[in-house]
Amino acid sequence: EAGVVQSPRYKIIEKKQPVAFWCNPISGHNTLYWYLQNLGQGPELLIRYENEEAVDDSQLPKDRFSAERLKGVDSTLKIQPAELGDSAVYLCASSLSGSIYNEQFFGPGTRLTVL
Amino acid sequence: DQQVKQNSPSLSVQEGRISILNCDYTNSMFDYFLWYKKYPAEGPTFLISISSIKDKNEDGRFTVFLNKSAKHLSLHIVPSQPGDSAVYFCAASVTDSWGKLQFGAGTQVVVTP
Repeated sequence: EAGVVQSPRYKIIEKKQPVAFWCNPISGHNTLYWYLQNLGQGPELLIRYENEEAVDDSQLPKDRFSAERLKGVDSTLKIQPAELGDSAVYLCASSLSGSIYNEQFFGPGTRLTVL
Repeated sequence: DQQVKQNSPSLSVQEGRISILNCDYTNSMFDYFLWYKKYPAEGPTFLISISSIKDKNEDGRFTVFLNKSAKHLSLHIVPSQPGDSAVYFCAASVTDSWGKLQFGAGTQVVVTP
């Protein structure tokens, strides 16, 4: 069974440029998470989707970040414009449902460098 | 505010010996705790969990201990193997928070031959 797929794996952009990350969750997983992981820190939740609905986006900086999950499958996270402080690893995870007892499976992440 | 803390950023242990990783939390509402393991260039993978109704959970070489009064949990790996070299994250959640995890900063474990 294929795991969570993310692309690109690495992205280098200049500040003020836009950037987008793509995530394909495990087939059949209704819940999708985007996490931000700064260097030397643990992942921090940005947004959680139940199917196509964003049910927890309280930690998403909405002035520059946006996300969508069309048709409740793939998801895209966008930053526009990017700032130097956005350099981090962006992780996508999925689970069967939002229950804490359902394991969250993580993708390998996208490492973003903003110059 | 950091609600889950792993105060040891790194740990070096000899192969065959015990690795003990520690984690402290401040939010008394947390009632479910997990450990994740992460290799370089990969996402974290689930290792073991424990509910607050228990004080110990064991899975093969991995045992997690929970001390609710001290708001402390630990992960024991016995015996340690070279393949255990990775970053280990402690995470905590409230059962009805629909999967919202609070992660610690991680502990880098290096198992030497």
